[in-house]
Amino acid sequence: DADVTQTPRNRITKTGKRIMLECSQTKGHDRMYWYRQDPGLGLQLIYYSFDVKDINKGEISDGYSVSRQAQAKFSLSLESAIPNQTALYFCATRYQGFDRNTIYFGEGSWLTVV
Amino acid sequence: GQSLEQPSEVTAVEGAIVQINCTYQTSGFYGLSWYQQHDGGAPTFLSYNALDGLEETGRFSSFLSRSDSYGYLLLQELQMKDSASYFCAVRARESNYQLIWGAGTKLIIKP
Repeated sequence: DADVTQTPRNRITKTGKRIMLECSQTKGHDRMYWYRQDPGLGLQLIYYSFDVKDINKGEISDGYSVSRQAQAKFSLSLESAIPNQTALYFCATRYQGFDRNTIYFGEGSWLTVV
Repeated sequence: GQSLEQPSEVTAVEGAIVQINCTYQTSGFYGLSWYQQHDGGAPTFLSYNALDGLEETGRFSSFLSRSDSYGYLLLQELQMKDSASYFCAVRARESNYQLIWGAGTKLIIKP
């Protein structure tokens, strides 16, 4: 089983609908991240969390919200999806200790907004 | 603001050596990371440089020159499985020490 698990892996949704992407990790890491990747481009940080009570906006947080339900769970919501939010979304984790410069990614969630 | 530049595509021959360059502009530079991503896959960590010099890990090496705001990833003895996109990413005070990513370099390996 993957250490960082994202659900759903693929989703097609309509404009204006609310969609939630969920992420859970078994690595015991304190830091969790949500990234967006558009085709042919690098990753952009949406939100990041250092622990359950510490959530921070990234470069492109507008139109997104997050919830850190537990140390192991970090969900991303699009309250009213729009077509330009069509992208590949990655959840990631990091441990602020040994190996702190390594970010571990989930397998990604393809989201298409029509 | 921050910016990173890397070539969009590099082509090399199996068994050869290839260098992927990355130049960056930022304030409060902290470190440079490299990640590999195969088509449809997740990025995976390759290396991290905070100090000037060369870091070697098997067939892959990464170099950093802080004074030149420049780094590169060196891949030796290229194998077909190395065909992937390679991303440099900078950690800096300007971005609250979160990674800012380049657009990636697609490495095409020919037999």
